Amino acid sequence: SQTIHQWPATLVQPVGSPLSLECTVEGTSNPNLYWYRQAAGRGLQLLFYSVGIGQISSEVPQNLSASRPQDRQFILSSKKLLLSDSGFYLCAWSWGGSVLTFGAGSRLTVL
Amino acid sequence: EDQVTQSPEALRLQEGESSSLNCSYTVSGLRGLFWYRQDPGKGPEFLFTLYSAGEEKEKERLKATLTKKESFLHITAPKPEDSATYLCAVQARGSQGNLIFGKGTKLSVKP
Repeated sequence: SQTIHQWPATLVQPVGSPLSLECTVEGTSNPNLYWYRQAAGRGLQLLFYSVGIGQISSEVPQNLSASRPQDRQFILSSKKLLLSDSGFYLCAWSWGGSVLTFGAGSRLTVL
Repeated sequence: EDQVTQSPEALRLQEGESSSLNCSYTVSGLRGLFWYRQDPGKGPEFLFTLYSAGEEKEKERLKATLTKKESFLHITAPKPEDSATYLCAVQARGSQGNLIFGKGTKLSVKP
């Protein structure tokens, strides 16, 4: 069966510090991978998606970036965090048009 | 612009008191409409996918229906464990599987 892992689960970072959130999927090959952000009072917002290694599409201009160094690994990064980057970050995967399956999420607080 | 609007934002029910949640959408060619359940601090959990107007799906006390403009999530005789935020999302034809989400309806069921 397929599983998705996200870490860290919780992160508190100062403004201006770097960020790295990691997501891995097990039990499938060549999945579509997604990063969403959920801020208070707002719906889930798609940040990045990837259909293959090294292929990243950005939906929202911001100081975040994503990379896919391996088939089942998706990384969300920032060189310098802003207060507005605080939120709940969710990784998700799908394959062949199937339902998006989400990870448990990473709670980021920028102080 | 593709858009999803959910109402009400919050709903309080007594145990056993049936009700419905609404999801209105505008999308340039609907590929699918999705309902998810999200518990506090966790990732969304898939409930249903609906593909065409008139389609209905059921799972325990939940029943989802779809028209050309909106979807309803009917909750029959809810229990306290049904308390959660219910998210509606649409997938447009030609998208890479990514979903556009509404802000959700927070359901509280009191014993």
